[in-house]
Amino acid sequence: EPEVTQTPSHQVTQMGQEVILRCVPISNHLYFYWYRQILGQKVEFLVSFYNNEISEKSEIFDDQFSVERPDGSNFTLKIRSTKLEDSAMYFCASRLTSGSYEQFFGPGTRLTVL
Amino acid sequence: DAKTTQPNSMESNEEEPVHLPCNHSTISGTDYIHWYRQLPSQGPEYVIHGLTSNVNNRMASLAIAEDRKSSTLILHRATLRDAAVYYCILRGANTGNQFYFGTGTSLTVIP
Repeated sequence: EPEVTQTPSHQVTQMGQEVILRCVPISNHLYFYWYRQILGQKVEFLVSFYNNEISEKSEIFDDQFSVERPDGSNFTLKIRSTKLEDSAMYFCASRLTSGSYEQFFGPGTRLTVL
Repeated sequence: DAKTTQPNSMESNEEEPVHLPCNHSTISGTDYIHWYRQLPSQGPEYVIHGLTSNVNNRMASLAIAEDRKSSTLILHRATLRDAAVYYCILRGANTGNQFYFGTGTSLTVIP
């Protein structure tokens, strides 16, 4: 069964450093999402991406964040200058453009900012 | 954002049915009701969704009230693997279809 994959599973970085989280969505999906979940808190929407541009973004997704689909398979989330409060699980999700609108989530990347 | 209300936690005995309630009194006519669950240390996983009619799939059933202001996710026979946080989410038909998760219901299954 096709699945969303994410790398790395765990990323440790120093405050102020740039990080890039990578996702490989399911191959025929065209809508992509990033969510985050701070430890012990709810899952929060960050950004949705379709047709090579951002569809919607939340207040969390400020100028420090960017997304890119650099090729036909990867979907990345970049945090330019990490803060301690960016420590969280980051989930990528993808879906078809029509039908059930079911989003398929990846296993997540745990980001730890020291 | 979330627009849904769920109990914080519930318990069920293994192999018994579980009814997980969700209130969404401000639902609009075009909002779909989605249920996802998150097993420990995993990403959310689709369970079921519906608009007006009750729905069944291999994982669960979704019972939607006639006025659509509430719904109930039914797990017919709870297993230990069903222990998870269950999220009831409204999805607007005319949005980018991102999900706004609430705090969900943490289901404990007792052997």
